[in-house]
Amino acid sequence: TQLLEQSPQFLSIQEGENLTVYCNSSSVFSSLQWYRQEPGEGPVLLVTVVTGGEVKKLKRLTFQFGDARKDSSLHITAAQTGDTGLYLCAGHFGAGGTSYGKLTFGQGTILTVHP
Amino acid sequence: KAGVTQTPRYLIKTRGQQVTLSCSPISGHRSVSWYQQTPGQGLQFLFEYFSETQRNKGNFPGRFSGRQFSNSRSEMNVSTLELGDSALYLCASSLGPPGTEAFFGQGTRLTVV
Repeated sequence: TQLLEQSPQFLSIQEGENLTVYCNSSSVFSSLQWYRQEPGEGPVLLVTVVTGGEVKKLKRLTFQFGDARKDSSLHITAAQTGDTGLYLCAGHFGAGGTSYGKLTFGQGTILTVHP
Repeated sequence: KAGVTQTPRYLIKTRGQQVTLSCSPISGHRSVSWYQQTPGQGLQFLFEYFSETQRNKGNFPGRFSGRQFSNSRSEMNVSTLELGDSALYLCASSLGPPGTEAFFGQGTRLTVV
């Protein structure tokens, strides 16, 4: 059974601060996705990383995929109140069979950015 | 292009009843996956359909079932509802190959009373 550990579970910061969320597994991901979810809504895809060591930037968000493809991080620079939400990492393991359509999710990080 | 559409958005059912939820994927996407989200368990995979065939299934009882139609639209059914089935049910669509990006609908909030 592949497990995905996400930390921290809660993060409460002031506007303008930086933060990092971590996602770790004991198994190798074939791909990893980060989502942001608001209450009562579905997760919205932020980024997909596939290659070990990959770094992707999306405005103030920087996503890294570990060289061994077992971990990933999301770094937000100069957080804004609009960044508040639930951040989820989700990984695909394997390349067929029991991996079809199955994303394994971390527990999520609830981020609150105060003005 | 239109996103993933789930209907209805909200449902209230009584214990013992059954319920059917619907999902229309993004045009051109042939894979539809279903997830259950609860505060205690987070997002858990239910099953995945591709070209009308169930390709993968999570660890849920047989009361949870689904199907996919030739136009890729999917339905999931829960029979003999229990209080613990109260959750946000999410549908995700993707092109199909393992590891491809999944795009989620807004979900159906099911409350069992």
